[in-house]
Amino acid sequence: AQTVTQSQPEMSVQEAETVTLSCTYDTSESNYYLFWYKQPPSRQMILVIRQEAYKQQNATENRFSVNFQKAAKSFSLKISDSQLGDTAMYFCAFMIQGGSEKLVFGKGTKLTVNP
Amino acid sequence: GAVVSQHPSWVICKSGTSVKIECRSLDFQATTMFWYRQFPKQSLMLMATSNEGSKATYEQGVEKDKFLINHASLTLSTLTVTSAHPEDSSFYICSASSAGKETQYFGPGTRLLVL
Repeated sequence: AQTVTQSQPEMSVQEAETVTLSCTYDTSESNYYLFWYKQPPSRQMILVIRQEAYKQQNATENRFSVNFQKAAKSFSLKISDSQLGDTAMYFCAFMIQGGSEKLVFGKGTKLTVNP
Repeated sequence: GAVVSQHPSWVICKSGTSVKIECRSLDFQATTMFWYRQFPKQSLMLMATSNEGSKATYEQGVEKDKFLINHASLTLSTLTVTSAHPEDSSFYICSASSAGKETQYFGPGTRLLVL
């Protein structure tokens, strides 16, 4: 069975600074996808970024980038130039490619951006 | 694009009554829809997966007779909580994905309170 671990229950960062959220996962599969979702206080789940495991290049979406280390089974999220609107719960998630399409979520990291 | 709506956004009902929650994909055809439950300050727990025109697949421990799921069209899935009790009070979230696309897009959630 696949598991996703987010070891940081809570983190805080000052506005305009950079923060990195950690995520590790365990799987015996070779082909899979990894995601970061954001859940602000409104509780709407928003896709932040995704990574295909077969791609060596780290995904980037504006201020959000990942550090994907396949051998180490690590998938951290870096938020640059943090903004107040980045305050949210961040969930790391895993999905087997070509499988049931189920997402396996970590427990989440609560990020607070301070002014 | 990839917008998913849920209705209602919140509902209060009496114990013993049934409640129906709708999940709609507004701008794409959702071949697969997922229903999650989220307790306060916790991660999402997958309840069931539904494919259009097929019976839903329930996760272990989820009562299929209590949580009725229907996915009658490529844009609509419904979750009916039958004979609701206070312990069913929770935040219910749906997500949808289209064929060949691994990314799930989430609805805004429905807060259910059973008195």
